[in-house]
Order: sequence, then C-alpha cells, then structure tokens
Amino acid sequence: NAGVTQTPKFRVLKTGQSMTLLCAQDMNHEYMYWYRQDPGMGLRLIHYSVGEGTTAKGEVPDGYNVSRLKKQNFLLGLESAAPSQTSVYFCASSYSIAYEQYFGPGTRLTVT
Amino acid sequence: RKEVEQDPGPFNVPEGATVAFNCTYSNSASQSFFWYRQDCRKEPKLLMSVYSSGNEDGRFTAQLNRASQYISLLIRDSKLSDSATYLCAAGNAGKSTFGDGTTLTVKP
Repeated sequence: NAGVTQTPKFRVLKTGQSMTLLCAQDMNHEYMYWYRQDPGMGLRLIHYSVGEGTTAKGEVPDGYNVSRLKKQNFLLGLESAAPSQTSVYFCASSYSIAYEQYFGPGTRLTVT
Repeated sequence: RKEVEQDPGPFNVPEGATVAFNCTYSNSASQSFFWYRQDCRKEPKLLMSVYSSGNEDGRFTAQLNRASQYISLLIRDSKLSDSATYLCAAGNAGKSTFGDGTTLTVKP
C-alpha cells in the first residue's frame, strides 16, 4: 500500500497563477483533509471531506477550493495564487474522526 | 484563544531525562485525542492515541483529563532519536484541531 500520496512535491508559482494539488489514498478512508503548515506553526485546516462528494470549510479556506469526486482522491485548487499562500501543504486521511490521520509527504509551494 | 494550546518549548534535555508535555483544548465536545510526532521537514506521524483510562507504549505514557480539558505526554529515558516536534490533536465533528507543537531536543 502506498498510503497517502501527494502530487507535486514542489512547485513555484507566480502571483495570480492557478494550480491544483492532488492527494490520493489507497486505504479506503472516508475522511480526507487539507492542511497548510507555516514555519514554526502547527497545522491549519483548509478544507476537509467526510465522504465522496462532500466537502466542508476548515479554519483557513479563503483562496482555496476542493473537490472529492472519487473516494480515493481529494483535490485542492488555488484559484489565483498569492505570496501569502507560500507554505507546506499536507493532505491526510482517516477511517473516521475516532481514528488517527495518515499524512502524505507534503507539497512545498512557493508563490513569488 | 486557540482551540488547542501547547507549551511551545523548546525543551532541551539530556539523554535519559524524563520530559512531560501538556496540551489544553477548549472544545468540551472533543471526542478523540492524539499525539503526533513530526520530524524536520517531514509529515506528522501518529505517536499515540490518548484514551480516558490513560495508555502506555514503552517509554511513552499519554493521559487525558476531561474535567480539566488537557492531555499530556510523558517520555521516560529520553533518547537522541526522540528529538522532534510533538503535536497534540483534539477531534470532533469530522475534523481534528492541532496544537502548534512542542519541540524537543535530546542532547548527549
């Protein structure tokens, strides 16, 4: 099992460009999450999904959109990138809220 | 006030020391609690789930106090390899909230 994978691992964008981050899990988990982590800070929840076809806003959703068309995939879109979105993005999945989350290796995004 | 707060540290301890981390949560509806370990530039990985009765895994002991709304992590006989950032998390309504993490450095 690959667990949770993220594509791409690194990306540099110019202000105003758009991109999509892909998260895939092969554990048949219902719950999936997108976090951002800035230096010296914890994980802040951007959006999450409690099942295929559902999404919900987290703590810092502005400037991001998500889609969960298939159970195993959770996509994070940046509509018009801003330097404030420079961060490390982690995707995670879990069987349910009562169970631990499994994290992907992260995507390091720089917006210039 | 943050929903989950941790002592930011850093904690610098010698090998063999015992170190304790505390974490408080403000949402009384939180149902699940975890400690994660995060190495530098890596993803967080589960260290321990935290149960009401407390639980132990080798040198690591986790406790939950629902009345005071805090969880703790005790590391005994610290090893160099324990150096990392430790994140606590409290879960409710489909999502978890993470603390900012406590950094531990174990020195020879």
